[in-house]
Amino acid sequence: TQLLEQSPQFLSIQEGENLTVYCNSSSVFSSLQWYRQEPGEGPVLLVTVVTGGEVKKLKRLTFQFGDARKDSSLHITAAQPGDTGLYLCAVKLGSYQLTFGKGTKLSVIP
Amino acid sequence: DAGVTQSPTHLIKTRGQQVTLRCSPISGHKSVSWYQQVLGQGPQFIFQYYEKEERGRGNFPDRFSARQFPNYSSELNVNALLLGDSALYLCASSLERGSFNTEAFFGQGTRLTVV
Repeated sequence: TQLLEQSPQFLSIQEGENLTVYCNSSSVFSSLQWYRQEPGEGPVLLVTVVTGGEVKKLKRLTFQFGDARKDSSLHITAAQPGDTGLYLCAVKLGSYQLTFGKGTKLSVIP
Repeated sequence: DAGVTQSPTHLIKTRGQQVTLRCSPISGHKSVSWYQQVLGQGPQFIFQYYEKEERGRGNFPDRFSARQFPNYSSELNVNALLLGDSALYLCASSLERGSFNTEAFFGQGTRLTVV
């Protein structure tokens, strides 16, 4: 059983469109992270959310942590080809281990 | 400053062989973690080393081992390679062992193909 379920698994959209991807779990977490991984690279941290209901914005990206701290969403406004990549959510278990979802593979077509 | 560097970037091995992957953390970072990312999946935790000692191990067989050197660089060894070991192996470094807000910085990975 996957601790973090991400949806959709694949998403292909036209440049300029908006999109939302989701990260869901039945467990409660003290914090949750979002990463973006481009082909041939390692994941890069985008944001950490820690408070239930928290909303964080990073330029055209909006991250929300669910009120119950079991789920999170990432909304991208006016997607650009540079947003193409694998979006991963992750939680820290214990003091050292990051557990990732399977990711959402986003393709933004020019 | 250089980021996390991993070598080699690509590697092809035959079933049953052994492989050693290398990682140099960001200068000043004492914690190194290894992850395996199979195609279509998110990274899976293998090991964490902090101050040259193993601090955590994921659900991987004993064929996987690692060590950290006095300069905090690290090696991941995999023995008796199986086809299923084909994956991207990622190294991540961080300042501290695992405090709440410690950010992990990932290298670009080593793409291992077992044939």
